Amino acid sequence: TQLLEQSPQFLSIQEGENLTVYCNSSSVFSSLQWYRQEPGEGPVLLVTVVTGGEVKKLKRLTFQFGDARKDSSLHITAAQPGDTGLYLCAGGWVNNNDMRFGAGTRLTVKP
Amino acid sequence: GAGVSQTPSNKVTEKGKYVELRCDPISGHTALYWYRQSLGQGPEFLIYFQGTGAADDSGLPNDRFFAVRPEGSVSTLKIQRTERGDSAVYLCASSLQAGGSYGYTFGSGTRLTVV
Repeated sequence: TQLLEQSPQFLSIQEGENLTVYCNSSSVFSSLQWYRQEPGEGPVLLVTVVTGGEVKKLKRLTFQFGDARKDSSLHITAAQPGDTGLYLCAGGWVNNNDMRFGAGTRLTVKP
Repeated sequence: GAGVSQTPSNKVTEKGKYVELRCDPISGHTALYWYRQSLGQGPEFLIYFQGTGAADDSGLPNDRFFAVRPEGSVSTLKIQRTERGDSAVYLCASSLQAGGSYGYTFGSGTRLTVV
């Protein structure tokens, strides 16, 4: 059972479109991380957020951590085919030093 | 090396056999994590080490699974009496220290197939 729920599970869009994917839980997290994974590879860290309400930007990607630290979103502006991949969120709890992952959102950006 | 190295990249074994999967973390990273990923799923936590000791092994599915990190660097995940349900990609990650403030660097994984 995944403690983190990610939505949508699948997303297929055209190049140039904007999109948002979500990560939700009933638990409060001390930190939350987003990763992108491509076939045959391990996940690659995109960002870590630790403060409720925090917003971080990485080029065309904008990450937000919810005020209550129970949810997060990833927004991609003007998606490109190179953004295609599995986007995973992972949460950590106070007094627990390992991260637990959601099932991911599989994004396909068509040229 | 510059990244996390996992060997072998692929392993096919017969049901009931014993297998060892190796992880070589980034030099200087004190925390090491093992995850298992099935098709269409996110990584499932198995165990993590802080130094040589297993700090949390609550994710190991049963006593057929065991992991060691004797010198605080390389780790080996050991699976006894393999079952077809053990087939998955086994991922290893390391971080500078334990805790969610430190990002994980993952290896490319070992794809285990039990036939």
